[in-house]
Formats: sequence, structure tokens, C-alpha cells
Amino acid sequence: GENVEQHPSTLSVQEGDSAVIKCTYSDSASNYFPWYKQELGKRPQLIIDIRSNVGEKKDQRIAVTLNKTAKHFSLHITETQPEDSAVYFCAATKGSYIPTFGRGTSLIVHP
Amino acid sequence: SQTIHQWPATLVQPVGSPLSLECTVEGTSNPNLYWYRQAAGRGLQLLFYSIGIDQISSEVPQNLSASRPQDRQFILSSKKLLLSDSGFYLCAWNRAGRNTEAFFGQGTRLTVV
Repeated sequence: GENVEQHPSTLSVQEGDSAVIKCTYSDSASNYFPWYKQELGKRPQLIIDIRSNVGEKKDQRIAVTLNKTAKHFSLHITETQPEDSAVYFCAATKGSYIPTFGRGTSLIVHP
Repeated sequence: SQTIHQWPATLVQPVGSPLSLECTVEGTSNPNLYWYRQAAGRGLQLLFYSIGIDQISSEVPQNLSASRPQDRQFILSSKKLLLSDSGFYLCAWNRAGRNTEAFFGQGTRLTVV
């Protein structure tokens, strides 16, 4: 089955800095890559996603890049703010539609 | 619009007691349904998934079971809880036949004492 590795497990940045979270996947058939944000005690919610026919997607301060050859995708957050502090999950999905999640990255943005 | 309801939000149960967590989805039909557990760390461990009524797959052998008595209802159960069953349980759904985002319920914080 699919295996998704996510790094780092914890990321601490100063407000205004950029944050990058990286994921790799094992199954070349995966074609949908969502990113979820989970605030403390709450449910994960989608913040951005990318499909395999696209290399990059941006939404305001958030961007995702995908390298299909390397089976690697990344989340980029620019101009981080304290409210960006949360756990972020990447996921990879293929024809079975069952998302396989990474282990999560705890992002801490210091004011 | 579609919504997902999961209850209860918190639960404290003694060891050896039964468990029943319920999840329902509104506004869609034939959803894929999932149960995840999030232990003290952060990872989302897939416990069960279902692509239709009476079609349930277990990802991890354990003390839990799942049932889907209706198209949009997914139940997580246990006959006898263990201390290790403590955690944050999340129900989720996504659209059948399409590769799209998963929507999560509010979660149930289960503490087994």
C-alpha cells in the first residue's frame, strides 16, 4: 500500500518567517495530494490540495509544489503568523480514494 | 451542503466497558466513510473504512469493530475497552468514486480509566 513520510515532525519559526513541510509518497499511482491543518483539539480541515497534473498551486500565503518524478510534495507558508500554529498533515490518495496521511508536523510560530 | 456529525464529543469510560461512537453524514449519498484514531502523538491511524453498506474493511487488528447499518451512518464499537483505546477518534467521509478531500467530524476524546 501507499506510504507517506512527512518531515519535520516539529517546526519552530519566528513570526514573519517562511515555513516548509515536506512529504514523500511511495505509490506512483497516487494522484491527489491534500494538506490539512488541525488546530488543538479540533478536526483537521483542508487548506490546499494539488492534483498530479499540476506542479504548483498557490493560495495567498500558502503554496504547494509537487514533483511526480521524485514522488515528493511540499507545503510552503510565507509570512507566518501566530494563528498558523497548528499540526499540518499531508496525504496521498489514488484510485482507492482512501487517503494515506503523513504523521503530521507541529508548526509553532513565535510572536 | 454536506455536514458530518459525530458524537459524543468527550467520553470517559472504565476499562472493560463497551463503547459506541456514532457518525452520520447529511447532504450526500453513498459516501466513503472512515474511522481514524489519533493517539498522544499526532498521526492519524486509519482504523476502518467503508465504501458501502455492509462493506467494511479493517486496517489494524484490534479491540474495535465498525458497522454501517445505513448508507450515511458509521458506528465504532467495542465490547470491552482497554486502557490503550484512549485517544481522539475521528470520523471522516469523502465522495465515492472521486479523488477529493476528506471531511472530518468534530472528533471524540475517549479516556479509558
